[in-house]
Amino acid sequence: GAVVSQHPSWVICKSGTSVKIECRSLDFQATTMFWYRQFPKQSLMLMATSNEGSKATYEQGVEKDKFLINHASLTLSTLTVTSAHPEDSSFYICSARRSGGWQETQYFGPGTRLLVL
Amino acid sequence: RKEVEQDPGPFNVPEGATVAFNCTYSNSASQSFFWYRQDCRKEPKLLMSVYSSGNEDGRFTAQLNRASQYISLLIRDSKLSDSATYLCVVNKRAGTALIFGKGTTLSVSS
Repeated sequence: GAVVSQHPSWVICKSGTSVKIECRSLDFQATTMFWYRQFPKQSLMLMATSNEGSKATYEQGVEKDKFLINHASLTLSTLTVTSAHPEDSSFYICSARRSGGWQETQYFGPGTRLLVL
Repeated sequence: RKEVEQDPGPFNVPEGATVAFNCTYSNSASQSFFWYRQDCRKEPKLLMSVYSSGNEDGRFTAQLNRASQYISLLIRDSKLSDSATYLCVVNKRAGTALIFGKGTTLSVSS
């Protein structure tokens, strides 16, 4: 099956620093990638939709200036958490949309655990 | 009302038991339906798609009732390895993000 990687898998940082998370589709081109966030015992919540070559679309309540998304190529999308605070500590997961054939499928990366001290 | 609602958990069952999970969704125009499995501290993984005609994959059977906007998952002969959180997932239309339920936790004990 298709593979999506995320890097780093976990990060611990001090409050006020910025953290960059990469999401790569390894064996297919993804014109669309999605960024989700999951807090403990909660469901995955969509943060934004990332389209290659255009601005990301953010969900209501997600600050676009705080969560910067760049989808510069068909295999890479990045999420930068700027000036991270403890309340940003969460599990961040990306998914990449693979279209073509008879069925569309979305593949998830392994996630990035962020802990802001 | 949440877009996808699931049974509250956790479900604690012995090995060999049959367990059923239920889910409802609010948007009648939703097009695709799935069950995902999420292990602790891991990303969700597709368990199976759900079709109106119902579908089965080994010990797992999924059903969709579009009229009542209801999705179910039946697990027969539970194994210890089935212990996980099961997520009901809906897609409004192709190309859009998946919408996840909160999940139902299953714990299978020997």
